[in-house]
Amino acid sequence: EVQLVESGGGLVQRGGSLRLSCAASGFTFSSYWMSWVRQAPGKGLEWVANMKQDGSEKYYVDSVKGRFNISRDNAKNSLFLQINSLRAEDTAVYYCARVRVRNTSSYLFYFDSWGQGTLVTVSS
Amino acid sequence: QTVVTQEPSFSVSPGGTVTLTCGLTSGSVSTTYYPSWYQQSPGQAPRTLIYSTNTRSSGVPDRFSGSILGNKAALTITGAQADDESDYYCVLYMGGGIWVFGGGTKLTVL
Repeated sequence: EVQLVESGGGLVQRGGSLRLSCAASGFTFSSYWMSWVRQAPGKGLEWVANMKQDGSEKYYVDSVKGRFNISRDNAKNSLFLQINSLRAEDTAVYYCARVRVRNTSSYLFYFDSWGQGTLVTVSS
Repeated sequence: QTVVTQEPSFSVSPGGTVTLTCGLTSGSVSTTYYPSWYQQSPGQAPRTLIYSTNTRSSGVPDRFSGSILGNKAALTITGAQADDESDYYCVLYMGGGIWVFGGGTKLTVL
């Protein structure tokens, strides 16, 4: 069974930093793109970042470029999100999600498994 | 800036059929955007329903279906049940490793 367990959230002051982690199990972590998706309180989902299997490609939503850094440790089946220069608008539940890019015959491009999320609250 | 549009809210009667849509402020949604749909109940993580326009994720009942209707992606729920009352999100793959979610539709079953 695929499991994704996020951790590292908490209350942090504006301008501060936080490192989120996602522990993966039940599948071959090194074979999948992985993403972070967030949801501000009472708001919708927002794709934040993703990373290729070997870490050679990373992509970010414009609003976090230069402040967030996605990384992974395939030996430890873990995904990370380093969040710097935190702003009030970064307050959200951050979900780790597994990405299906393709199967043997076609492209898919969707999120097929989700963690339960970790809450980041930025205080002023 | 690309904005993905969804109806903010919708209601359906138990047993009824409802179609939620997912569009673009500029242009048409096609299969090349690989639209996918997710259901989210309050306090829960999203659940994957549909991917690649019309493929149901494992374990999703066949009363959920996806399609392209005109210039939008669509999620149709046939025979709505009380526990279908949730938020529904579409997301489009924009290419270059970038995804954009719609704002979500709050579905009420009453």
